[in-house]
Amino acid sequence: GAVVSQHPSWVICKSGTSVKIECRSLDFQATTMFWYRQFPKQSLMLMATSNEGSKATYEQGVEKDKFLINHASLTLSTLTVTSAHPEDSSFYICSAPNDRFYGYTFGSGTRLTVV
Amino acid sequence: AQSVTQLDSHVSVSEGTPVLLRCNYSSSYSPSLFWYVQHPNKGLQLLLKYTSAATLVKGINGFEAEFKKSETSFHLTKPSAHMSDAAEYFCVVSRPSGNTPLVFGKGTRLSVIA
Repeated sequence: GAVVSQHPSWVICKSGTSVKIECRSLDFQATTMFWYRQFPKQSLMLMATSNEGSKATYEQGVEKDKFLINHASLTLSTLTVTSAHPEDSSFYICSAPNDRFYGYTFGSGTRLTVV
Repeated sequence: AQSVTQLDSHVSVSEGTPVLLRCNYSSSYSPSLFWYVQHPNKGLQLLLKYTSAATLVKGINGFEAEFKKSETSFHLTKPSAHMSDAAEYFCVVSRPSGNTPLVFGKGTRLSVIA
């Protein structure tokens, strides 16, 4: 079936540093990647939508300069949290729709802790 | 616009008894509906999905859900709860085109008591 590999699975970083999260589709082409954020005991909220070769679309309230998304190829989308702060600590998860195995494939998620 | 409402934030059942997790949806389109499960500190696992075929959808681990258009509901059921079913469950809606983001409900935490 369709697999999206997400790395790292967890990361601890110091306040003010940047962290890059990668989502790679292993056996299908992900022309679109959705990025979600989940705070503790809350649901998943869409942050942004990335499309291969074009600029990402951000949801209202999500700072595009803080959460940099790059989708340079059909198999790789990255989210960089720049100048991270403790309030950015959350569970970040990517998801790609795929036609071959109709549905949505999720990465395993990245737990970011900013100290 | 689309939305889902999970009617219970927490459901507690005894092991071996039936499970019912309730979900109502709102959609301007004929929706695709999903149930996902998330175990603590884990990613999401698809339980089942409805995509305008049979209204009674069977999923993994004995779960099933029935799409009722007249009630705009997509409740998740299981005849007999197992301890391993304890997790967070999300009802999710999307447009049927498959290339639009999923909209998640707030989740229902299922506890299973021995």
